[in-house]
Amino acid sequence: AQKVTQAQTEISVVEKEDVTLDCVYETRDTTYYLFWYKQPPSGELVFLIRRNSFDEQNEISGRYSWNFQKSTSSFNFTITASQVVDSAVYFCALSEDLRGSARQLTFGSGTQLTVLP
Amino acid sequence: ETGVTQTPRHLVMGMTNKKSLKCEQHLGHNAMYWYKQSAKKPLELMFVYNFKEQTENNSVPSRFSPECPNSSHLFLHLHTLQPEDSALYLCASSRGTGVVDTQYFGPGTRLTVL
Repeated sequence: AQKVTQAQTEISVVEKEDVTLDCVYETRDTTYYLFWYKQPPSGELVFLIRRNSFDEQNEISGRYSWNFQKSTSSFNFTITASQVVDSAVYFCALSEDLRGSARQLTFGSGTQLTVLP
Repeated sequence: ETGVTQTPRHLVMGMTNKKSLKCEQHLGHNAMYWYKQSAKKPLELMFVYNFKEQTENNSVPSRFSPECPNSSHLFLHLHTLQPEDSALYLCASSRGTGVVDTQYFGPGTRLTVL
């Protein structure tokens, strides 16, 4: 089973629409961190947010917001009033503190978001 | 300001060539990473260095040879590659290798092996 599942492979929206990218994770650890990265066509993964497993408060940063729910093992990402520049591949990632091993950062397969003008 | 730089951005090489990828981080981090990103596959961790010491080799073929002369520089030496090695190679760095440490990525080198 995948540790990080991004079931939406591709999403297309029209500019100014809101869009939510889903992320479901699986871990046996009580201490872990979740991340979102954005990868525009240029290729660089841009760090967006990091949340720890003990902080379930939702976070808002401008047009971006994140909904972390431990009960459903989900960490969803919403873009409000989407813009063409939001078009990119978005990756969710999980960092676990595996006992006896080095920390692993596991990425989901990514969601390609296309925002049409 | 670009925290992690990679050169070259694009590389085309034949199967018998030898080339090197370079990564430099300007963030004062101690850990550096190489990832491979192939089409339609999740990012694959290749190597991890912490304080210049290799701490992880994720079963990478020996035709990929990493080198970390100091905490700011990381190289990936390539020789006798296969066409299936064509991919985007991403470098990342982080303050440490703990569960809390965020990795920051470079722009990648897009490698094509003919």
